[in-house]
Amino acid sequence: DAGITQSPRHKVTETGTPVTLRCHQTENHRYMYWYRQDPGHGLRLIHYSYGVKDTDKGEVSDGYSVSRSKTEDFLLTLESATSSQTSVYFCAIRGQGNTDTQYFGPGTRLTVL
Amino acid sequence: QKEVEQDPGPLSVPEGAIVSLNCTYSNSAFQYFMWYRQYSRKGPELLMYTYSSGNKEDGRFTAQVDKSSKYISLFIRDSQPSDSATYLCAMRSNFGNEKLTFGTGTRLTIIP
Repeated sequence: DAGITQSPRHKVTETGTPVTLRCHQTENHRYMYWYRQDPGHGLRLIHYSYGVKDTDKGEVSDGYSVSRSKTEDFLLTLESATSSQTSVYFCAIRGQGNTDTQYFGPGTRLTVL
Repeated sequence: QKEVEQDPGPLSVPEGAIVSLNCTYSNSAFQYFMWYRQYSRKGPELLMYTYSSGNKEDGRFTAQVDKSSKYISLFIRDSQPSDSATYLCAMRSNFGNEKLTFGTGTRLTIIP
């Protein structure tokens, strides 16, 4: 999984509670991404980061915030979780070199009751 | 209409068969095309990466891009049970554009 770890791997929470997911990488990649994967929708970009404290929105950013205070960690926060945010969340990094494509972590399965 | 369409399957073929997986797209700005393989409850794993039209081969896998038809394919030769997974196509426009657009994935099963 390209040196990416995600925590927790599974979480069940209740509507209205805050949730933070962590992505950790060990290879000093500059770009990091958060996606969600849902049946019938494929993978959709939530937010991404292009450096420490530098982040931008993706196509489904409403209800999510991110932070990156260190190169190796990219946090995704659901300020007040809703049932529509039940999903599998993947972190990704951009590969280095000529091919700038993305490599994914193992995922976090989040259930909001 | 989605920018990228992919038949969800499921697709079942016998071991040793040639598998053809396809995606169509509507955005003519797409220039970079990828195929990912995703095993159950795992993250997507990059299989193939191609730029613009043409073919690219890597072992038993061949990726084809036909930009004139807005159609991409992944061929798997001598399919193995270990190829059983969901295959996702992905694409984006210019270099440095962070937005990858994914297909919804095709679930493939190789029957021993």
